Amino acid sequence: DAGITQSPRHKVTETGTPVTLRCHQTENHRYMYWYRQDPGHGLRLIHYSYGVKDTDKGEVSDGYSVSRSKTEDFLLTLESATSSQTSVYFCAINRDNTEAFFGQGTRLTVV
Amino acid sequence: GIQVEQSPPDLILQEGANSTLRCNFSDSVNNLQWFHQNPWGQLINLFYIPSGTKQNGRLSATTVATERYSLLYISSSQTTDSGVYFCADYGGSQGNLIFGKGTKLSVKP
Repeated sequence: DAGITQSPRHKVTETGTPVTLRCHQTENHRYMYWYRQDPGHGLRLIHYSYGVKDTDKGEVSDGYSVSRSKTEDFLLTLESATSSQTSVYFCAINRDNTEAFFGQGTRLTVV
Repeated sequence: GIQVEQSPPDLILQEGANSTLRCNFSDSVNNLQWFHQNPWGQLINLFYIPSGTKQNGRLSATTVATERYSLLYISSSQTTDSGVYFCADYGGSQGNLIFGKGTKLSVKP
């Protein structure tokens, strides 16, 4: 257990509404990541952060933004949710640039 | 970027059987990890194994970095072993993990 908590765990939202997912870590790791998992695509990187206020885009960043105002929190925002963003979202940390640990996941459904 | 291939894609076992899962990489292995995604969707760390062999109970893993592959052994399988097994390594340009497509394991009682 690497002290990673995601919230909410499940969410159903309507198309066009903004949604924010939260990732909280308790171990002061520098690197944090947001992935999405979809059938047939595995886990793909959305955005990542290498420190407070330092973030960058991943492979599938369109339609998403992130913020990291504190070391322990990494927020993922869907500015205007679409059905294609229905997915399971995982937050991850990178311990000492070696082993990665994942949060429990957030199942998001956009209707 | 790095490509990760896992085999077999699906595996059905009777409880008590042994199995070997394989992971091949297109490039050098750096920080290989094995994960188990249980039926509830949680990603559980099994092994961090950039090289060599490790054992944890009924599970063991071997990585031969020079030949760019890793093996996960499951002995005396139990129904609780069911789920999807992923291998991954750091190969993305952003220092992110690149995952294989996984091996879906079903253990029947």
